[in-house]
Amino acid sequence: GAVVSQHPSRVICKSGTSVKIECRSLDFQATTMFWYRQFPKQSLMLMATSNEGSKATYEQGVEKDKFLINHASLTLSTLTVTSAHPEDSSFYICSARVSGSNQPQHFGDGTRLSIL
Amino acid sequence: AQTVTQSQPEMSVQEAETVTLSCTYDTSESDYYLFWYKQPPSRQMILVIRQEAYKQQNATENRFSVNFQKAAKSFSLKISDSQLGDAAMYFCAYWGPQGGSEKLVFGKGTKLTVNP
Repeated sequence: GAVVSQHPSRVICKSGTSVKIECRSLDFQATTMFWYRQFPKQSLMLMATSNEGSKATYEQGVEKDKFLINHASLTLSTLTVTSAHPEDSSFYICSARVSGSNQPQHFGDGTRLSIL
Repeated sequence: AQTVTQSQPEMSVQEAETVTLSCTYDTSESDYYLFWYKQPPSRQMILVIRQEAYKQQNATENRFSVNFQKAAKSFSLKISDSQLGDAAMYFCAYWGPQGGSEKLVFGKGTKLTVNP
């Protein structure tokens, strides 16, 4: 149980386009999902906390207008990188927790984003 | 703010031998959780083991065990009978009440190499 699906796994697109990444909890409900960014050979950096039915909470230094987060249901959160540029190229990974529990976060398989 | 420190950027071990990865953390909280996550080259984040701070008994999962020293704020991971498939980045993580949020705080990671 506690499977998190992230799609797509790999995206290559031109500079200036917008890219949407989906994060789904397949067999549990998640009122809270998390979006991370990971640079090569570095740890995960939390970008924002996504709350179902409300606005996301962004970490300091993360542009909310650049990284749009929508958490419209208890099983789906999306991250849209708007007007992507080469410096946005990175590995993005989401996680989710079972609502109202002390269970650990379960991670998606990540999305490798390459902006040309 | 809570911090997690992994002082060993890289470690290596011979197949079938035992290796210990270090992790220390800083918190003023008394109730929290600690985790070790494994990230193989595929970049999936895989939960290896978790420890609740209120439990004195060290967690164990098959070949993986921890040495949790709450007073010293230390949480090391021991891998016994190391296998080639254990080669990965290992991240120590802390989760606890932080102003009402549910953020995981990660260390910078330790790259484990298993030599045949």
